[in-house]
Amino acid sequence: ETGVTQSPTHLIKTRGQQVTLRCSSQSGHNTVSWYQQALGQGPQFIFQYYREEENGRGNFPPRFSGLQFPNYSSELNVNALELDDSALYLCASSLVGGPGYTFGSGTRLTVV
Amino acid sequence: SQQGEEDPQALSIQEGENATMNCSYKTSINNLQWYRQNSGRGLVHLILIRSNEREKHSGRLRVTLDTSKKSSSLLITASRAADTASYFCAPLYNNNDMRFGAGTRLTVKP
Repeated sequence: ETGVTQSPTHLIKTRGQQVTLRCSSQSGHNTVSWYQQALGQGPQFIFQYYREEENGRGNFPPRFSGLQFPNYSSELNVNALELDDSALYLCASSLVGGPGYTFGSGTRLTVV
Repeated sequence: SQQGEEDPQALSIQEGENATMNCSYKTSINNLQWYRQNSGRGLVHLILIRSNEREKHSGRLRVTLDTSKKSSSLLITASRAADTASYFCAPLYNNNDMRFGAGTRLTVKP
């Protein structure tokens, strides 16, 4: 059992830039979800991917996009970064209907 | 909203005391999960209770579910300083995506 790995752990970007965050799912998991967590808040659901297709989306604009690859790794892309995008981004993998989600340690994104 | 709402927002207790956190939700669920988050890190899955279950235990954790009241509670018995963390409930609906509330911030004083 390898767990969920996210990279990078920390990142600083300038407003208007684009960023790609990466996630390697736990072995055997076919579903990946991404969350944004601002300081002092709960994680907010961005979207979920199942078998490389988007399987649900939260209240985030289209400049937040994702990909899931055949090996179940995943990317979160954010275009035209805004200061409010500064947050901890969490990736979680699971089996559909499985007993729980396994979270990575997150990527701390700071937009300046 | 599909997310759970935790109550209280913050709880401070002495080591050895019990801690109770509550969660309310709006519509019928498949199951409900509780997670713990230490400061600035990923969430750790604690326990899952299915909609046809009323109570579940795991070590010092006890979770109850009342589907008629659309509420759940998490009890941590004999708390330790290491239990200091934020706790989140996550109701799971038919579409399988999990939504979180703002959580309960638990502080256990040694």
